[in-house]
Amino acid sequence: DAKTTQPNSMESNEEEPVHLPCNHSTISGTDYIHWYRQLPSQGPEYVIHGLTSNVNNRMASLAIAEDRKSSTLILHRATLRDAAVYYCILNQAGTALIFGKGTTLSVSS
Amino acid sequence: DAGVIQSPRHEVTEMGQEVTLRCKPISGHNSLFWYRQTMMRGLELLIYFNNNVPIDDSGMPEDRFSAKMPNASFSTLKIQPSEPRDSAVYFCASSLYGGRTEAFFGQGTRLTVV
Repeated sequence: DAKTTQPNSMESNEEEPVHLPCNHSTISGTDYIHWYRQLPSQGPEYVIHGLTSNVNNRMASLAIAEDRKSSTLILHRATLRDAAVYYCILNQAGTALIFGKGTTLSVSS
Repeated sequence: DAGVIQSPRHEVTEMGQEVTLRCKPISGHNSLFWYRQTMMRGLELLIYFNNNVPIDDSGMPEDRFSAKMPNASFSTLKIQPSEPRDSAVYFCASSLYGGRTEAFFGQGTRLTVV
């Protein structure tokens, strides 16, 4: 499986933007970039995914580097409820999500 | 849809007993996944079904673990006999066209083996 590298932890202030980086230098052409998050005492929750182009949805934006070797999850205005572990996952069609350690995001008021 | 439904939410059992965890995926989803989460090992994939057929069971720890999906709306994960090291939160997830679309996770079953 292709690997991703994320910082162990990041901190943010409420109502400020948050940029969560992910490196995936060994990505293949058929790998989708998925982001999930896990709030305390809950199951993982889908955030966003993309292949080559930047993606936006109601939760976040995903910026993908032109060479696809890195990506950034952008939370436009962090809230206390965004405090969670964020996972960046490379995934191919027909395979299961493999979770790494993720980035623990702390949000302060 | 009510989402992925897992039962029970909590299970406490004695070592050596059989434990059965249950999962009802979202209607219409054809991929189902079982994961286990512990502080030490994080989220681990146990098994992946597609159209009720096991596709990848390489994560099943040992013969004490078995999983079935008799139909598209139900799956079980059985541990027999259970051991204290099996204590973990077990998550079930489902998706449409596994890997290409988002996966939806249940609330998990917290298993404690004493």
